[in-house]
Amino acid sequence: GQNIDQPTEMTATEGAIVQINCTYQTSGFNGLFWYQQHAGEAPTFLSYNVLDGLEEKGRFSSFLSRSKGYSYLLLKELQMKDSASYLCAVFSGNTGKLIFGQGTTLQVKP
Amino acid sequence: KAGVTQTPRYLIKTRGQQVTLSCSPISGHRSVSWYQQTPGQGLQFLFEYFSETQRNKGNFPGRFSGRQFSNSRSEMNVSTLELGDSALYLCASSSAGTSGGSSYNEQFFGPGTRLTVL
Repeated sequence: GQNIDQPTEMTATEGAIVQINCTYQTSGFNGLFWYQQHAGEAPTFLSYNVLDGLEEKGRFSSFLSRSKGYSYLLLKELQMKDSASYLCAVFSGNTGKLIFGQGTTLQVKP
Repeated sequence: KAGVTQTPRYLIKTRGQQVTLSCSPISGHRSVSWYQQTPGQGLQFLFEYFSETQRNKGNFPGRFSGRQFSNSRSEMNVSTLELGDSALYLCASSSAGTSGGSSYNEQFFGPGTRLTVL
């Protein structure tokens, strides 16, 4: 079967660094995505990893280890606007489906 | 380039009724996927249409159906509504879609339709 796990909630302080973990089990893994979703809004694409390693994009970085079925999203220099839900999603080449985790709600405090 | 649009944005229906939601993808995108988002279940895949054909389907009952038109606009229909169908329905478009083992292209989400079933 396919399963994606990520923490439900996290809290961090403005200016700090936070790491949101995601573990997955899927057949025919063909990429992992991170999306950001603010309350009441559509998810927006943050990053895509298909090979092992770290992808850096400004304040956001995403890491993938395919052998461990593990990814994390790293947010640096946190800002209040980063308060949102972060969705981990895995694409299965076998099923052709993008499967989402439940999402991690991040609250950034002053 | 205009983004993905969905209509209506909000909808209130009663049990037993049916509803049709509409999605217009980004110009040039041929793939449209539909998702249901609820607090308890998260984002769940409903189905994907590509060039007017349903290319993939999630684990939802037959009450949930969809179609895609030649201009790539898509509609989804839910018949005999149940209270549990209350959710945010999101559609996402991409240029190539997700199925067939082909390389994945980024999905762009619309703002969603908030459906409340009373």
